[in-house]
Amino acid sequence: QVQLVQSGAEVKKPGASVKVSCKASGYTFTSYDINWVRLATGQGLEWMGWMNPNSGNTGHAQKFQGRVTMTRDTSIGTAYLELSSLRSEDTAVYYCARRNQWLAIDYWGQGTLVTVSS
Amino acid sequence: QSVLTQPPSVSGAPGQRVTFSCTGSSSNIGAGYDVHWYQQLPGTAPKLLIYGNNNRPSGVPDRFSGSKSGTSASLAITGLQPEDEADYYCQSYDSSLSVVFGTGTKVTVL
Repeated sequence: QVQLVQSGAEVKKPGASVKVSCKASGYTFTSYDINWVRLATGQGLEWMGWMNPNSGNTGHAQKFQGRVTMTRDTSIGTAYLELSSLRSEDTAVYYCARRNQWLAIDYWGQGTLVTVSS
Repeated sequence: QSVLTQPPSVSGAPGQRVTFSCTGSSSNIGAGYDVHWYQQLPGTAPKLLIYGNNNRPSGVPDRFSGSKSGTSASLAITGLQPEDEADYYCQSYDSSLSVVFGTGTKVTVL
């Protein structure tokens, strides 16, 4: 069965960077885009960006320009999200998710809580 | 930053039918992009509920249905059940092929 398993919770200080991993299993990792979405308390879902694991091509929301990096290691079927220059407003649960041929997001990781606090 | 607008909340008694909208514009839903819907139960990851405007993934009850017209879409839940109490989000794309989510609707079962 398709599974996306994310790394554990992180606590970071303002100005630091965080790197979240997302290990895929149960399907061919390079066949489906991975998207990153976050949910802050009291807010709605916010799309951050996408990555094609086959080509490594990425795209991201303008809001995260210059702060977000999405990479992958195809040998272990794992995608990574790195967010830099963290501020308190970046405190949220971060999800990786697979996008299917209908461009719907059909499988989600369990989420990684990132807390930014001094 | 959401560009798709949903009502903040809707409520209904068990067994009732509820519907709510997802309103976009000519640069997203109105441009012909499909709408997808997600259900998020408290403390869990979102779950795909409807894809391609009106299709249900395997395992999603037929109590859930979606539709799209013009620059908006709707989700209907018939025979509302206590386990349907959750947050619901619509999702589409904009002209730059960026993912756009709705503002979210909290469904309360009275």
